[in-house]
Amino acid sequence: QSVLTQPPSVSAAPGQKVTIFCSGSSSNIGKNPVSWYQQLPGTAPKLLTYENNKRPSGIPDRFSGSKSGTSAALDITGLQTGDEADYYCGAWDNSLRGVIFGGGTKLTVL
Amino acid sequence: EVQLVESGGGLVQPGGSLRLSCAASGFTVSQYEMNWARQTPGKGLEWISYISVSGTTRYYADSVKGRFTISRDNAKNSLYLQMNSLRAEDTAIYYCGRNLFDSWGQGILVTVSS
Repeated sequence: QSVLTQPPSVSAAPGQKVTIFCSGSSSNIGKNPVSWYQQLPGTAPKLLTYENNKRPSGIPDRFSGSKSGTSAALDITGLQTGDEADYYCGAWDNSLRGVIFGGGTKLTVL
Repeated sequence: EVQLVESGGGLVQPGGSLRLSCAASGFTVSQYEMNWARQTPGKGLEWISYISVSGTTRYYADSVKGRFTISRDNAKNSLYLQMNSLRAEDTAIYYCGRNLFDSWGQGILVTVSS
């Protein structure tokens, strides 16, 4: 099954900012809203942002999503060691008629 | 508070069957699109099935089409995944999710092995 394309890993120092990119196509990101999920070690994924740039209640504004064309991005500012996790993008794909996820990006806070 | 709790996982032999349940609380399952996804330990997420609000539209990933069936029991406020003809490659943690996974269950492990 096809996936959205994410970098396997990113890293940055505490307090810094990191951006995770997610590349798709016209059948998914190009036509449908994007969500981002955080998966801490040993736990289920959790919604971070939805409809491209909205945050559920309780998610700090250090996390922000955006979309342009067939790509999306997740910005995390003021990095904390507790942000170390796997991050996934996701969107509905009109051709596959299903949800498509990115391969995941492991964030390391050095 | 929205909560999803999966159950029904375990060890099954290749070719066997399992039925996963996802009990919802804090919202009404019949009013939402629902999905199942899975994750092989140490690997990424794979979506496997969707059911519409009306229940009349159901989609499946190619990897499970013809073997898995998604369903819903509105009276029990629960979602189900009937898994038949299980293969070793179906071994994974299975998650149910509401809408485009705005809420996730805690996950349930399914192991297919002889």
